[in-house]
Amino acid sequence: QQPVQSPQAVILREGEDAVINCSSSKALYSVHWYRQKHGEAPVFLMILLKGGEQKGHEKISASFNEKKQQSSLYLTASQLSYSGTYFCGTFRSGTYKYIFGTGTRLKVLA
Amino acid sequence: DAGITQSPRHKVTETGTPVTLRCHQTENHRYMYWYRQDPGHGLRLIHYSYGVKDTDKGEVSDGYSVSRSKTEDFLLTLESATSSQTSVYFCATADGTLQDTTYEQYFGPGTRLTVT
Repeated sequence: QQPVQSPQAVILREGEDAVINCSSSKALYSVHWYRQKHGEAPVFLMILLKGGEQKGHEKISASFNEKKQQSSLYLTASQLSYSGTYFCGTFRSGTYKYIFGTGTRLKVLA
Repeated sequence: DAGITQSPRHKVTETGTPVTLRCHQTENHRYMYWYRQDPGHGLRLIHYSYGVKDTDKGEVSDGYSVSRSKTEDFLLTLESATSSQTSVYFCATADGTLQDTTYEQYFGPGTRLTVT
C-alpha cells in the first residue's frame, strides 16, 4: 500500500511556507523525497534515515519520525521554482522494491 | 546527470499489438526500475531488476514482462496492449546494496504511450 501524502494539493504565494506530510502503514527505514515538474521526470531532493541523518541536494529541510512512520518536508520562503508535484518514497524492507507516496501538487504564485 | 535514455519517447499503438519500450543507461548502475504514471495514481512500480537476468514484479505487473540481458538495457514489453495501459512510462536506475537503502534513483525522460 502506498504511503499517503497530505495535503493532496497546496497553493502558495512566493515567500510563504509549506509542509508536506508522508505517512506509511508499514515500517519506514528511510524516506526519500522527489520533486517532479510538469512534463518532466522526477528528481531526487533528499533522503532521511533512521537516527536522523539527512542527505540531500537542496536547501529544503525534512524530518522523519520512525515511531509514527511519518516524514515531513518543509519548504520555507517558497520560490516559483518550487512548483511541482512532490513524492515521498521508500524501499520495502529487505527488498529492492520501491514504492512512492500518493503525491502532493504544489503551486507557487507570484 | 545520469545518462538514461528511453525509446521511443512517444508511441501510439492499437489494442492487441505487442509493444516494447527500451531503457538504456550509461552509468553502470545495478538497479533498474519501470514505473507507470497516471493521473490520480502517482508513480507505480511495474517491474524492477537487481542485476543482469535478475528481475522481479512490482505492484502493477499484470500484462507486462521485462528482460535485462545487459547491465545497460532494461526492456519493458506489453505482450498485448490494452487501453488501460495508456500511460507515461518512466525508467529509473540506482546503485547501492540491499543493506543500503540510501541510494537515489535517476529517472529517464519518460515514454508517452497511447493505446487506441
